[in-house]
Amino acid sequence: EDQVTQSPEALRLQEGESSSLNCSYTVSGLRGLFWYRQDPGKGPEFLFTLYSAGEEKEKERLKATLTKKESFLHITAPKPEDSATYLCAVREAAGNKLTFGGGTRVLVKP
Amino acid sequence: DTAVSQTPKYLVTQMGNDKSIKCEQNLGHDTMYWYKQDSKKFLKIMFSYNNKELIINETVPNRFSPKSPDKAHLNLHINSLELGDSAVYFCASSYNRILRLAGNTDTQYFGPGTRLTVL
Repeated sequence: EDQVTQSPEALRLQEGESSSLNCSYTVSGLRGLFWYRQDPGKGPEFLFTLYSAGEEKEKERLKATLTKKESFLHITAPKPEDSATYLCAVREAAGNKLTFGGGTRVLVKP
Repeated sequence: DTAVSQTPKYLVTQMGNDKSIKCEQNLGHDTMYWYKQDSKKFLKIMFSYNNKELIINETVPNRFSPKSPDKAHLNLHINSLELGDSAVYFCASSYNRILRLAGNTDTQYFGPGTRLTVL
């Protein structure tokens, strides 16, 4: 069965203090690793999809990377508006199902 | 423009009642999903429909019945509600035909969620 583990569960950062979130996965044939951002009371908002090891994607202060066993979401010089829960999910080769990790709750203090 | 919408946003009801949650997407997708997010914030897939056909049916009590009248709508009906059904339910959609032909995987876009509270 697919498994996705995110760490840490919670992260408190000062504004400008860069950090990384980890997503470890086991899946039989990866067909996409997804990062989402979720604000309180809202649905997950799509950030990135990574398909193969070595791939990287960037958006503003966020950069996602992928290896064969894990993905990292790097937050560079975060701002308070980057505070949210970041969710990682994998899709296996067969089927449409996304398996989500438990998320990392990020709080950026000014 | 609202991409994936759900109604209602909040639903408070008594144990034993029957309720429905509606979902609509205007993205031209032909696959839709229902997810449940529990109090620990884990998102778990419940059902998926592709072109009105059920393609994913996880281990969910048969009190939950999805209905897809067309590919833009996927409703969730819940019979005999129990306390443990309290959660946030999210609808999502995916499948862009052009991306599919290009071999890219399908990104799922989520609705705003429906918070169900069973008393």
